[in-house]
Amino acid sequence: AQSVTQLDSHVSVSEGTPVLLRCNYSSSYSPSLFWYVQHPNKGLQLLLKYTSAATLVKGINGFEAEFKKSETSFHLTKPSAHMSDAAEYFCVVSDRTGTASKLTFGTGTRLQVTL
Amino acid sequence: DSGVTQTPKHLITATGQRVTLRCSPRSGDLSVYWYQQSLDQGLQFLIQYYNGEERAKGNILERFSAQQFPDLHSELNLSSLELGDSALYFCASSAAGLAGGRSDTQYFGPGTRLTVL
Repeated sequence: AQSVTQLDSHVSVSEGTPVLLRCNYSSSYSPSLFWYVQHPNKGLQLLLKYTSAATLVKGINGFEAEFKKSETSFHLTKPSAHMSDAAEYFCVVSDRTGTASKLTFGTGTRLQVTL
Repeated sequence: DSGVTQTPKHLITATGQRVTLRCSPRSGDLSVYWYQQSLDQGLQFLIQYYNGEERAKGNILERFSAQQFPDLHSELNLSSLELGDSALYFCASSAAGLAGGRSDTQYFGPGTRLTVL
């Protein structure tokens, strides 16, 4: 079974400083990996997706993630944090066979951005 | 706005009752997924329907059932409700074809918050 592990449950950064949210995955084959963001009392929004086309994936709002097979990692980064980035971030792996599909979510990382 | 709609937004009910949550997928998407988000279990996949047929099943209780109708909207039925069923229930949709790529991407609705008293 595929799984993801988010290494930090809570990350706090100052506005304008870099963001690093860490995720490791476990998969028996090349996975599809995603990062989703959930703002307070809101739904889940797709930030970016990796599907083996390119190892460095650019997403919305200045976020990007790099797929590193040797390290089984898919860390999310942003050069400069903004107050509006404060939210819960989920690393997700897709398990798909034909038309059957499901997402397995990590436990989430709460990003706090301070002035 | 993802294009996935869910109703109602909030639902408050009592233990032992039955409720129905409704989801309309994005235009053109054939697959609908249901997820449960609770404080103790996190985000868990419940079930997937593709073009009216059940395709994948996760940690869905026997008291819960779902269906997808010919117009592709889906309903999640929760019965004999318990306090522990209180959670945020999300619906997602995707194109989910036979190939990979874009078909893997799931777009989520705003959720239905269920409170069981």
